[in-house]
Amino acid sequence: GAVVSQHPSRVICKSGTSVKIECRSLDFQATTMFWYRQFPKQSLMLMATSNEGSKATYEQGVEKDKFLINHASLTLSTLTVTSAHPEDSSFYICSARGDPYEQYFGPGTRLTVT
Amino acid sequence: GENVEQHPSTLSVQEGDSAVIKCTYSDSASNYFPWYKQELGKRPQLIIDIRSNVGEKKDQRIAVTLNKTAKHFSLHITETQPEDSAVYFCAARAAGNKLTFGGGTRVLVKP
Repeated sequence: GAVVSQHPSRVICKSGTSVKIECRSLDFQATTMFWYRQFPKQSLMLMATSNEGSKATYEQGVEKDKFLINHASLTLSTLTVTSAHPEDSSFYICSARGDPYEQYFGPGTRLTVT
Repeated sequence: GENVEQHPSTLSVQEGDSAVIKCTYSDSASNYFPWYKQELGKRPQLIIDIRSNVGEKKDQRIAVTLNKTAKHFSLHITETQPEDSAVYFCAARAAGNKLTFGGGTRVLVKP
């Protein structure tokens, strides 16, 4: 299958700071990328959908000014968690879709806000 | 929007036995149904998928069945092995839409 990378894999930041997470499709062009958040022992919760060159579509309850998404190219999307707080600590996973059906996940970023 | 229910939430089986996980979906327009396996702290891995134009698909010890009329689909793992222990997620999607995930099933294969 296709390869999706994500960086960093782990990050610890202080409350009030911002953190940027990168998601790259390495061997295919991703027309659509997705950002998920996963709390321990829970399912994946979609935060937003982004298409290259256009604004992201956020799910209900997700603050677009807090979770900034940029999808500048067909291989790169970034998620910036602004003014992070401890409750933002979670496992953030990106996903990319090039094929009309299949969707591949990045390895995830574990964010800890202290 | 789409709603996907997954059962059971936990499943414990003896090595060599079969495991079955069932999912139901609500949107009759959904036409793509993938299954993902997620090990602790790792990414979900696509293990098998089925599209609405087929009723069954098999890949070695893994099979998926789809009943469009009843709007349910199932994952079957035969001859389970300890390395099959993980969390499994079903998902459903209508064309061009986002994937909606089930709540997950934690499978434990006891040696």
